[in-house]
Amino acid sequence: AQSVTQPDIHITVSEGASLELRCNYSYGATPYLFWYVQSPGQGLQLLLKYFSGDTLVQGIKGFEAEFKRSQSSFNLRKPSVHWSDAAEYFCAVGALTGANNLFFGTGTRLTVIP
Amino acid sequence: KAGVTQTPRYLIKTRGQQVTLSCSPISGHRSVSWYQQTPGQGLQFLFEYFSETQRNKGNFPGRFSGRQFSNSRSEMNVSTLELGDSALYLCASSLASRTSGLALEQYFGPGTRLTVT
Repeated sequence: AQSVTQPDIHITVSEGASLELRCNYSYGATPYLFWYVQSPGQGLQLLLKYFSGDTLVQGIKGFEAEFKRSQSSFNLRKPSVHWSDAAEYFCAVGALTGANNLFFGTGTRLTVIP
Repeated sequence: KAGVTQTPRYLIKTRGQQVTLSCSPISGHRSVSWYQQTPGQGLQFLFEYFSETQRNKGNFPGRFSGRQFSNSRSEMNVSTLELGDSALYLCASSLASRTSGLALEQYFGPGTRLTVT
């Protein structure tokens, strides 16, 4: 069965510091991986995706993520966090075989200290 | 290109009532999925519609239903509301083809916040 684990419920970083949000997935087929961000009271915005090819993918707002098949991980990174990055971040996994829906992690809430 | 729109944005209902939520996908997107988001359960998949047919369904009771129209707009209905149905209901649209990961690349609307009292 598909599953996604985001081990960090809440992370606090100082503005300008680097950021890494962890995501581990479990899926037998070729995974399609996504990171979404959700600001309070808003829907989810797609930050980046991994389908195949280069394991380091670039997204919007200066975010990047690295797919590591051996570790079943897809961690999100940003070299310098801005106060506007404070939000909740969700990792999701899907596959073209079987159900055409995404399985989401429980999310990581990011607080940015000025 | 306009994004996914959902109406209404906020809704308050009482137990036992029914509710209908509406979703208009991005132009050209033929697949519409619905998710329920709660603090306790997180994001859970409800169902997906494509070409007016339910293509996939999550693990929710039959009180939750949906439909899709020929213009790809979708509605979801919850009958006999319970307090536990209070949640943010998110609609997402995607390209329908299952031949590429684009089928899974979902774009979300702002959601409908349903409060059941």
